[in-house]
Amino acid sequence: SQELEQSPQSLIVQEGKNLTINCTSSKTLYGLYWYKQKYGEGLIFLMMLQKGGEEKSHEKITAKLDEKKQQSSLHITASQPSHAGIYLCGVRSHNQGGKLIFGQGTELSVKP
Amino acid sequence: GAVVSQHPSWVICKSGTSVKIECRSLDFQATTMFWYRQFPKQSLMLMATSNEGSKATYEQGVEKDKFLINHASLTLSTLTVTSAHPEDSSFYICSARGSGSNTEAFFGQGTRLTVV
Repeated sequence: SQELEQSPQSLIVQEGKNLTINCTSSKTLYGLYWYKQKYGEGLIFLMMLQKGGEEKSHEKITAKLDEKKQQSSLHITASQPSHAGIYLCGVRSHNQGGKLIFGQGTELSVKP
Repeated sequence: GAVVSQHPSWVICKSGTSVKIECRSLDFQATTMFWYRQFPKQSLMLMATSNEGSKATYEQGVEKDKFLINHASLTLSTLTVTSAHPEDSSFYICSARGSGSNTEAFFGQGTRLTVV
């Protein structure tokens, strides 16, 4: 089965700083999802990447998919306290109704 | 994006009782629904996948008689935790997606279950 490993597991940055979260897959990536979660709440969909080399941006968050490296990165520019939360990458299984399998998450704290 | 509503958002129950959690897709038809469990400071663990009108597929190690899943319509799935015990206390999240190979999965806001 496919596994996702996220790094770092936790991150504390000063407000205004840039940061990058990585998600590495044990198998070939055919598509990858990024979600954000506030602890104790549901998941907020950020982006879906489907093709190698694809890059998407939403406000100050940019995600890229590197198929060769079986990796995706999420980059936040000029971080703000509102960016704090848990970031999860997920991949869809090609069987069983396309279930989403998640990495262990990266907990981001932004110091004002 | 599409809206998935989960109810209740939190519930406290006594050991031995059963608790039902509802997951509704409000503005789309959810062909498939997923139920996850999340422990503090951990990621989401998939419990089961359900397709409308058919039996749920449970992940390895998840007791199907303990966690009853019903997906009777294209907008509603329910998870019933039967004979709840304190170790069942957790955060449960549902996810729903429509038909099509590249549709997004939208998540409910989660249910915090505490068994006392």
